[in-house]
Amino acid sequence: DGGITQSPKYLFRKEGQNVTLSCEQNLNHDAMYWYRQDPGQGLRLIYYSQIVNDFQKGDIAEGYSVSREKKESFPLTVTSAQKNPTAFYLCASSTWTSKETQYFGPGTRLLVL
Amino acid sequence: GQQLNQSPQSMFIQEGEDVSMNCTSSSIFNTWLWYKQDPGEGPVLLIALYKAGELTSNGRLTAQFGTTRKDSFLNISASIPSDVGIYFCAGQRRPGNTGKLIFGQGTTLQVKP
Repeated sequence: DGGITQSPKYLFRKEGQNVTLSCEQNLNHDAMYWYRQDPGQGLRLIYYSQIVNDFQKGDIAEGYSVSREKKESFPLTVTSAQKNPTAFYLCASSTWTSKETQYFGPGTRLLVL
Repeated sequence: GQQLNQSPQSMFIQEGEDVSMNCTSSSIFNTWLWYKQDPGEGPVLLIALYKAGELTSNGRLTAQFGTTRKDSFLNISASIPSDVGIYFCAGQRRPGNTGKLIFGQGTTLQVKP
């Protein structure tokens, strides 16, 4: 089945630690996105990539980093510089011609110990 | 970053009732989307709207792209218990096809059997 997978479902981070969230898609989509969701709020864009080896900052990129070495994969690293990382992280993808029609993965919940 | 004004914030209705929710913005949008999110899961795309005045249905769901291009509406007819969840509107401002969506804060729907 085609779709977007995110792993792990739950992730725990210790103080000063970097953690990486995985996002893989087999939809042959060109564009991929990372969003952060906090309780009672809508989604906020962290980073997005329209093509392999290229990505742009979203509205809340500070403390995060990404890479796009393969079309299928768009991992997100939450660095120690992100002081409030506890949130639900969602990955999405879309085609090149219809970037606004985005399909989401199941999400990763990040908790700080 | 800007967020859309989505209302109501929450609704508690009886099974069988119809539901209406809306999203407004001070900016013009060229695309409106409606998503549903179950607890702990990623949002699922319900309806996408691409033209002002467009009215689109998906089963018991009907959504409209406002003629001013600054609002959108979602109606659910004859609600059932599985309609429970959080409904988000999202939009892309002109100029188009950047992939940068802006999300509303969500409408939490609860249905009493």
